[in-house]
Amino acid sequence: TAGITQAPTSQILAAGRSMTLRCTQDMRHNAMYWYRQDLGLGLRLIHYSNTAGTTGKGEVPDGYSVSRANTDDFPLTLASAVPSQTSVYFCATAWGGELFFGEGSRLTVL
Amino acid sequence: KQEVTQIPAALSVPEGENLVLNCSFTDSAIYNLQWFRQDPGKGLTSLLLIQSSQREQTSGRLNASLDKSSGRSTLYIAASQPGDSATYLCAVPNDYKLSFGAGTTVTVRA
Repeated sequence: TAGITQAPTSQILAAGRSMTLRCTQDMRHNAMYWYRQDLGLGLRLIHYSNTAGTTGKGEVPDGYSVSRANTDDFPLTLASAVPSQTSVYFCATAWGGELFFGEGSRLTVL
Repeated sequence: KQEVTQIPAALSVPEGENLVLNCSFTDSAIYNLQWFRQDPGKGLTSLLLIQSSQREQTSGRLNASLDKSSGRSTLYIAASQPGDSATYLCAVPNDYKLSFGAGTTVTVRA
């Protein structure tokens, strides 16, 4: 069962470069989220989408953008990466109030 | 603002002992609470979702209780096994997102 697929699993990126983290789900859930997880800071919401065609800003949206062209895909773009964006990024979906997570993308910005 | 606290931050027990993990939240006007498990380097796996109308939810050796009036939830894991070693997080709805606790890292010694 695929569920939520994130790519890449891991990436090293030079500061100033752009990067898109991909997230695809096969569960047809309307709501999708991007979180980052950092030691000592826990999980923080970056952006969310309640349904295809709509997006919203979370707690830490600066430096990130998202799009939701269809139900299944919710890519996260870093336009010009900075070292503080080094983190583990998790994509999640929600159905009936329950949240489901992907395996994460580990990003290192040097 | 919803704040979620998990105490203790870490717990080490011998195999076979029952585990008691605590989660407290400041705003009792929640409609559900979710418990997750996270293994090192992995995503979050949903364990139990308790609706606000329920007082507890059970799945195998796991039992979670919810007391909205006191702002507390407890996750019980019966007869712990080394495979239960992981970080356990609780989360509650907070406006358009979930607020997560920092987690309790459990080590079950064989």
